[in-house]
Amino acid sequence: AQTVTQSQPEMSVQEAETVTLSCTYDTSESDYYLFWYKQPPSRQMILVIRQEAYKQQNATENRFSVNFQKAAKSFSLKISDSQLGDAAMYFCAYRQTTTGGSNYKLTFGKGTLLTVNP
Amino acid sequence: KAGVTQTPRYLIKTRGQQVTLSCSPISGHRSVSWYQQTPGQGLQFLFEYFSETQRNKGNFPGRFSGRQFSNSRSEMNVSTLELGDSALYLCASSLGPGGHNEQFFGPGTRLTVL
Repeated sequence: AQTVTQSQPEMSVQEAETVTLSCTYDTSESDYYLFWYKQPPSRQMILVIRQEAYKQQNATENRFSVNFQKAAKSFSLKISDSQLGDAAMYFCAYRQTTTGGSNYKLTFGKGTLLTVNP
Repeated sequence: KAGVTQTPRYLIKTRGQQVTLSCSPISGHRSVSWYQQTPGQGLQFLFEYFSETQRNKGNFPGRFSGRQFSNSRSEMNVSTLELGDSALYLCASSLGPGGHNEQFFGPGTRLTVL
C-alpha cells in the first residue's frame, strides 16, 4: 500500500522569506502523480502544484516549486517570497495512474501547518 | 463555472442516529470521491463513484454507504452514528476516474456527533 509521510507537523516563516515543506512517500508503482494541496482555515482544499512521476523536470507554479527526487521518493515544496495568505495546512498527496489500475484515490500525508509571520 | 457544493455545511447529530450528506459536482464532472478528515487519522478515502457505480471503497465499516445519481450528484449516508464519526467530510469531483484527472474539492460538511 502506498504511504505518504510529512515529518514536519508545523513550520513557520517570515513574510517574504522562503520555506521548504518536506514529503516522502512509498510505492512500488512507477507511474503516479504527486500533489501539494493547501487547506486554509476556510477549509476549502486547493491544489497548489502537481508532479507527474515520469517527468524529470520539477514542476513550478509562480512562487511554488517542487524538488522531486524519484529514486529517494522525496517530494518537497518550496514557497518563495512567502505571503500572509500562504498560511494554511499543506498536504502532500499521491495518486497512482497505472493503466488498468482501478483505484485512483488520493493518499494524503498528515499535513504541515504553515504559519507566516509579518 | 460553479464549484463543488456540499450540503449541509454543518450538522449536529446524536449517537445512534443516521445522517445523509450531499455533494453536487462541477458541471460536466462525472466522478465523485468522498474523504473523511479527522485530527487523529487525517484524510482518509471513503469511496469513489463514476456513472452511478461505486468504483472503489476505502477501509470503513458498512455503516458508511453512498450512491450517485444520473446527474452525477452524490450522497453519502452514515447509519448508527458513533462519536468517532465526528469529522469533516470532503467531496471531490473530477471529469472522470483516471489518475490524470484533477480532483476539485468542496468546502466540506462538518459533522458533530454528541
